[in-house]
Formats: sequence, structure tokens, C-alpha cells
Amino acid sequence: GAVVSQHPSRVICKSGTSVKIECRSLDFQATTMFWYRQFPKQSLMLMATSNEGSKATYEQGVEKDKFLINHASLTLSTLTVTSAHPEDSSFYICSARDLVQGEFRGYTFGSGTRLTVV
Amino acid sequence: KNEVEQSPQNLTAQEGEFITINCSYSVGISALHWLQQHPGGGIVSLFMLSSGKKKHGRLIATINIQEKHSSLHITASHPRDSAVYICAVRFRAAGNKLTFGGGTRVLVKP
Repeated sequence: GAVVSQHPSRVICKSGTSVKIECRSLDFQATTMFWYRQFPKQSLMLMATSNEGSKATYEQGVEKDKFLINHASLTLSTLTVTSAHPEDSSFYICSARDLVQGEFRGYTFGSGTRLTVV
Repeated sequence: KNEVEQSPQNLTAQEGEFITINCSYSVGISALHWLQQHPGGGIVSLFMLSSGKKKHGRLIATINIQEKHSSLHITASHPRDSAVYICAVRFRAAGNKLTFGGGTRVLVKP
């Protein structure tokens, strides 16, 4: 089945530095990638939707200059948390629409990245 | 307003018991998804439903479009089924975006 590979799985960084999270679709072309954030014991919160070759669409309240999203190819989308602060510590997870020959087969999720900013 | 409600929030079962998780939503949908989130955080898509019933192994998912309700059943539960189960809905008016229920934390004791 469709696989989305997300890296890194865990990262600890110093306050003020930037962190890049990658999501790669391994056996399908992900024209659309969703980026979520999840706080402990809470549900997923959509941050932004990225479409290959165009600018990402951010949800209300999500700072686009803080969370940079790039979707330069059909198999790679990246989320960069810039000038990270402790309040950015969270679990970040991506999801892609699994489309095969135009047929929508569901969503495939990455394994998530646990970011800790110290 | 696009809302998704899940119940129960927490569920503890003994190994072998039958488990049911419920999901209700507010308005018309394109599809409903059941997801499983493991303790490490990874999420697996279990089912995508727009009508009727689907079965995969010991898992059964049903949806009643008229009542705007779906259930996920786990038969002969096993400790490895312990996870958070999340109902997520694509509302017709929301395009490809998913709206998530609050999740049901399931613990199956041996």
C-alpha cells in the first residue's frame, strides 16, 4: 500500500534554531500534503495544506513565516519550523491523499515527528 | 457547523471482549475515515466509508448516512488493539480537509 516516510522521528533543538521535517511519498505521487500538529492527548489540528508547485494554504492562526512549507516535487513536502521556541514543541505529522489513476483511495499518514525545543 | 463527536473518550476492555466506538457528525459528508494512532504517534488508516459496512480482519466499520452516525467494532479484542481510534470526516463543503473527532483511547487488558 501507499507509504509516506517522515523524518526525523524525533528532534531536540535549541531555542532560536530552525528545524526541517520531511515527508516523502514512496510509491505514489502526492499532489496534496496536509501538515498537522498534535498536542498531548488532543486531536490533530490542521496547520496547512500544500499542493505541489504552488503556495501552501495555511489555516487561520498558523503563521506562514513561522512554519514554512515547501512542496517542490510530487514526492516530497517539507515543513520548516523557523526560530523555534519551547511553545513549538509538539508532535507534527503529515498526510497525503493517495490517488491512483485518479481514484481516491484514502489518506496515508507519516509516522510523525516529535519536536522538543529547549 | 462541521462537528465530529466520538464516544466513549476512554474504554478499557478485557482481552476477548467485543468493543464498539461511536462517531456522530453534524452535516453531509463525502466520506468518513477511521484511523488508529499507536502509542508512538504513528497513524494508520483503517477504513474509508461512504455507505454500508466494511470488514477487515477483526475490525468492522459501519455507517448510517441518514442518522449521520458510524461505529467501529473490534471483535475478540487483543492487547495489541490498545491504541487511540480516531473518527475523521470529509464534510462535503470542506473539500479534501478532514475534521477529526476527539479520539477514543482503548486499553485491552490481558
